Amino acid sequence: KAGVTQTPRYLIKTRGQQVTLSCSPISGHRSVSWYQQTPGQGLQFLFEYFSETQRNKGNFPGRFSGRQFSNSRSEMNVSTLELGDSALYLCASSGQGSTDTQYFGPGTRLTVL
Amino acid sequence: AQSVTQLGSHVSVSEGALVLLRCNYSSSVPPYLFWYVQYPNQGLQLLLKYTTGATLVKGINGFEAEFKKSETSFHLTKPSAHMSDAAEYFCAVSDGLRGGSQGNLIFGKGTKLSVKP
Repeated sequence: KAGVTQTPRYLIKTRGQQVTLSCSPISGHRSVSWYQQTPGQGLQFLFEYFSETQRNKGNFPGRFSGRQFSNSRSEMNVSTLELGDSALYLCASSGQGSTDTQYFGPGTRLTVL
Repeated sequence: AQSVTQLGSHVSVSEGALVLLRCNYSSSVPPYLFWYVQYPNQGLQLLLKYTTGATLVKGINGFEAEFKKSETSFHLTKPSAHMSDAAEYFCAVSDGLRGGSQGNLIFGKGTKLSVKP
């Protein structure tokens, strides 16, 4: 089985721009979660989608949003980028939901200048 | 609220020596516990997990961890370190959607393991 894939792997944006990141889960997985990883804050949960519905949300501002499509692929969007949004964004997929093991993709490295 | 504490942000061992990475958790419901490893510029790879049942859990690459409820610990061990074990290790807890809560993973800050030849 192919693993979780994320595109693009690297992105450079400037402050004020918006960005969209994409995640394709493992075939058959219906849950997709997003995490932000920074040196200062570590790994923080952004949100989880299950069957096209946002089920859980972490403590991030409304500039961070996401969606999930009928094929379980997910996108996350960050609007009005700030320097502090520079991070590795990781996507994880699981089968029945968050109770199952989450399998992570390689991440998208976002740099905001 | 759940939380995870990993003692020691950096651990250095010699090749062939015992690896011990410490993790303590806080959870109001029986937790699911995980150890993940991250190599540079890569995502997280699951090493092992505890959900229910046997408290000694064996994972990949010779790693194992023991769930000790009385100590709220889930320490990761490997009898003999290999150079390829050098990476960052993350302990995580989830309540698995029990108790009406969220089920997302809460991670510790990570422990960077260095292996000296």
